Amino acid sequence: KNQVEQSPQSLIILEGKNCTLQCNYTVSPFSNLRWYKQDTGRGPVSLTIMTFSENTKSNGRYTATLDADTKQSSLHITASQLSDSASYICVVSAQRNYGQNFVFGPGTRLSVLP
Amino acid sequence: DGGITQSPKYLFRKEGQNVTLSCEQNLNHDAMYWYRQDPGQGLRLIYYSQIVNDFQKGDIAEGYSVSREKKESFPLTVTSAQKNPTAFYLCASGGVATGELFFGEGSRLTVL
Repeated sequence: KNQVEQSPQSLIILEGKNCTLQCNYTVSPFSNLRWYKQDTGRGPVSLTIMTFSENTKSNGRYTATLDADTKQSSLHITASQLSDSASYICVVSAQRNYGQNFVFGPGTRLSVLP
Repeated sequence: DGGITQSPKYLFRKEGQNVTLSCEQNLNHDAMYWYRQDPGQGLRLIYYSQIVNDFQKGDIAEGYSVSREKKESFPLTVTSAQKNPTAFYLCASGGVATGELFFGEGSRLTVL
């Protein structure tokens, strides 16, 4: 069964600190993996997208890693800011004949405190 | 501005009423999707469409209906048959071959 798990479920950190969110998946055939940021009551916004051959991709203070062998990804946030408070969703897509099949993780809720 | 527009942002409905959520995109995407988001759960696919006048059921299609008469538009109707319709609904679009996925701002439906 195609599945995406994320940990931790929630996380509280102080402003300026770093943190790492985890994503494990069992999706095949693997096409790509994305991280989204979702502010409360808003739609998700893409942070990074990684294909099978990519190990690391950065977007400002966000750095995503992918280990396709162990089927794990992480999202590292550096020097956190109050505006980083949001849910972070890992999405893995599987290639199908009819297009892409997106499998969503439940998200990690990050709270950054002053 | 290019993007996906969902309306209304908030909607209240009495039990037994059908409601329609609007989704319009000007990104020239072939594929459009409707997802439902409940607290603590991943997004679940309701319906998707990869071409005009064609759409497919997702994992939780019961109690919902859609149409795709234009490339830009993919409205979702929540019918009275949907037993637990209170949720946050997200529309998305993307290229079929590229696998892009862009989201609208969502519509929150509350059944009174």
